[in-house]
Amino acid sequence: NAGVTQTPKFQVLKTGQSMTLQCAQDMNHEYMSWYRQDPGMGLRLIHYSVGAGITDQGEVPNGYNVSRSTTEDFPLRLLSAAPSQTSVYFCASSSLRGGSQETQYFGPGTRLLVL
Amino acid sequence: RKEVEQDPGPFNVPEGATVAFNCTYSNSASQSFFWYRQDCRKEPKLLMSVYSSGNEDGRFTAQLNRASQYISLLIRDSKLSDSATYLCVVRKNTGFQKLVFGTGTRLLVSP
Repeated sequence: NAGVTQTPKFQVLKTGQSMTLQCAQDMNHEYMSWYRQDPGMGLRLIHYSVGAGITDQGEVPNGYNVSRSTTEDFPLRLLSAAPSQTSVYFCASSSLRGGSQETQYFGPGTRLLVL
Repeated sequence: RKEVEQDPGPFNVPEGATVAFNCTYSNSASQSFFWYRQDCRKEPKLLMSVYSSGNEDGRFTAQLNRASQYISLLIRDSKLSDSATYLCVVRKNTGFQKLVFGTGTRLLVSP
């Protein structure tokens, strides 16, 4: 099991460029989510999905799009990058079968710098 | 006021010391509680869940006080490898998997 994988590990963008952060999991988890982590702030939820074809907004969704066409993949799209989107992005997944104590597994993160 | 608050530290302790972190949460209807560990430039990983009766996992003890809305983590006999940031995490009662993360408490264990 690779767990949760993310690509790329690092990315530099210019303001206005678009890009897609990839996330995949091989644990057959129903739930997948994207967070961003900024200094002095906890991880904040961007978007999440409870299954293929179902997505919803989290706490900070503006400027990001997601889709979930398969159970395994949950890409995050930056439509027009802005310096405020400079951050570390984590993808996480979890089973929905284990109840409220079910843990989330995180990918290794993508470090994004927007100039 | 933040939903989950932690002292950012750093807590500097020598090897073998006992150290405790507290975390407070604002939503009295919060459902589940966790401590995650995050090493520098790495992803968060679950350290332990926190149960109402308190629970222990080796050198780590977690306590929950619902009346005062705080969670604690006690680390006994600190090791160099315990140096990390410890994140207090709360699951809200709305939205099954919506976790709220504290900003973390940094621990530095020195020889």
